[in-house]
Amino acid sequence: AQSVTQPDIHITVSEGASLELRCNYSYGATPYLFWYVQSPGQGLQLLLKYFSGDTLVQGIKGFEAEFKRSQSSFNLRKPSVHWSDAAEYFCAVGRSAGGTSYGKLTFGQGTILTVHP
Amino acid sequence: DSGVTQTPKHLITATGQRVTLRCSPRSGDLSVYWYQQSLDQGLQFLIQYYNGEERAKGNILERFSAQQFPDLHSELNLSSLELGDSALYFCASSGVTDTQYFGPGTRLTVL
Repeated sequence: AQSVTQPDIHITVSEGASLELRCNYSYGATPYLFWYVQSPGQGLQLLLKYFSGDTLVQGIKGFEAEFKRSQSSFNLRKPSVHWSDAAEYFCAVGRSAGGTSYGKLTFGQGTILTVHP
Repeated sequence: DSGVTQTPKHLITATGQRVTLRCSPRSGDLSVYWYQQSLDQGLQFLIQYYNGEERAKGNILERFSAQQFPDLHSELNLSSLELGDSALYFCASSGVTDTQYFGPGTRLTVL
């Protein structure tokens, strides 16, 4: 069974500081990996995704993530955090069937990011 | 804006009642997914439809059912509602890229 662990429930950083949110997954095959962000009262917005190829993927809002197969990790990073980045971040793992879209996403429990001015 | 629409935005009802949540996928997407987000369970996959047919099933209660119509919109029906069904219900859609885009959600409150 697939699973995702986000070890940090809550992270606080100062504006302008760097950020790394951790994500570890368990999956029996090559995973499809995603990071989503949810602002209070809002839906989930896709930040970035990894399907294959280059293990360092760039996303929106200056975020990037690195896939490390040996560590079963897909950590999210940002070099300089802005106050507007305060939100909850979810890592997710899924699978594909070549565009016919089979299957669910399994989400981690989320990491709440607080940004201090 | 993801292109996925959900109605209503908020729903308040009583225990024992039945409600219907509606979702319209992004243009061209054939797959629709339903998820439940609650404080104790987090984000849980309920069910997936692909081009009108059920494709995958998750932790969906027997009191819940869904369908996808020929115009590809989907409805999630929740019946015999209990207090514990109060949650955010998200719909997502995907197409040939296998990337799920989420709607804004429907917040269900059962009193």
